[in-house]
Amino acid sequence: DIVMTQSPTSMSLSVGDRVTINCKASQSVGSNVDWYQQKTGQYPKVLIYKASNRYTGVPDRFTGSGAGTDFTFTINNMQAEDLAVYYCMQSNSYPFTFGSGTKLEIK
Amino acid sequence: QVQLKESGPGLVQPSETLSLTCTVSGFSLTSYSVHWVRQFSGKSLEWMGRMWSDGKKSYNSAFTSRLSISRDTSKSQVFLKVNSLQTEDTGTYYCARNSDYGSNYFDYWGQGVLVTVSS
Repeated sequence: DIVMTQSPTSMSLSVGDRVTINCKASQSVGSNVDWYQQKTGQYPKVLIYKASNRYTGVPDRFTGSGAGTDFTFTINNMQAEDLAVYYCMQSNSYPFTFGSGTKLEIK
Repeated sequence: QVQLKESGPGLVQPSETLSLTCTVSGFSLTSYSVHWVRQFSGKSLEWMGRMWSDGKKSYNSAFTSRLSISRDTSKSQVFLKVNSLQTEDTGTYYCARNSDYGSNYFDYWGQGVLVTVSS
């Protein structure tokens, strides 16, 4: 199985900060990485698909980049409503696998 | 609008079988795949399997032969069965729709159903 190593595990931030989350795949997954946001008590919601494509309605402060084994998710000008856990997922080969999550907290 | 809703027992005894139903609306199961994903203690997520639009199934081999996915297209339902449950199977179980456009991301999710395995 492909292991998605996600870092950091948590971040303490202020409104307006820039957030960078990384995911490293144990083997190449092409551009088949998606990023999900999960707020407390809710299901995960897709923000970015195929590494860099913003899902419908997602604010442009959310961006994704990368290919092969290294992927980055960025929030520019973090807002209070962005407090959540973020997960990467590779959808290149079965079984699809998720990163362990990054929890964003307000400083 | 597109909706998915999981249903099933909240408490299951160890060694028994978990049976969950995902009832969908707003789209056809013959046009979209549906996945099952579970989450442990509000954190790590695990992909379990996929019911393809053509009826084919894909499973996470970590479940060996414990997992079965089926569907009833006339009722717009996808079913999940997991045998020989253990306490480690406790978690929230989600069904999610696969996007179209040739990508494999999950564009709509159910609210999830919490399953506790305990005697």
